[in-house]
Amino acid sequence: KAGVTQTPRYLIKTRGQQVTLSCSPISGHRSVSWYQQTPGQGLQFLFEYFSETQRNKGNFPGRFSGRQFSNSRSEMNVSTLELGDSALYLCASSLVASNTGELFFGEGSRLTVL
Amino acid sequence: AQKVTQAQTEISVVEKEDVTLDCVYETRDTTYYLFWYKQPPSGELVFLIRRNSFDEQNEISGRYSWNFQKSTSSFNFTITASQVVDSAVYFCALRGLGGATNKLIFGTGTLLAVQP
Repeated sequence: KAGVTQTPRYLIKTRGQQVTLSCSPISGHRSVSWYQQTPGQGLQFLFEYFSETQRNKGNFPGRFSGRQFSNSRSEMNVSTLELGDSALYLCASSLVASNTGELFFGEGSRLTVL
Repeated sequence: AQKVTQAQTEISVVEKEDVTLDCVYETRDTTYYLFWYKQPPSGELVFLIRRNSFDEQNEISGRYSWNFQKSTSSFNFTITASQVVDSAVYFCALRGLGGATNKLIFGTGTLLAVQP
């Protein structure tokens, strides 16, 4: 059973650019959530999608957005990149959008903003 | 507000030693879930355990054991006879009942280094 797949694994951008990260959940999982991990702020929740609907959003500026497709794959986008957006972005999938489910994480997309 | 505190930033032990990672949490929810994840250098968060707030029974899985105490809001993790492969960052996390959500509140993590 394939795990959560995130692409790209590594990318380098410059300030002002925008970036799109992709996450393919485990087959059959309908919930996808995104987290940002930085040395200073640790792991922070970005947003969560279930059946193409955003169910929850963390405290991030509007430059951070996401969406989920009918096949449960999800993308997140960061516009007008800032140096502070350099981070490991982790995607997690779950069978259902409930707090009883187990979250399975991908290996992340490591973004460097120069 | 919900909060998870992992006071130990780094721990270094020698192989075969026992080590306990501390986790203290804050929540106003009466029903909640606690988790431990392991993050090896590859970056992926590996699920170790989930415990709900109504189940204070300690759990043992091989060399791993967890001690959940609601009275002290703690959910500590012990590795018995540590091995080099246990070297990783360990995160404790909390998920409340508020709404159908998979939002996790993570602690800052504890870097465990097991020396041969």
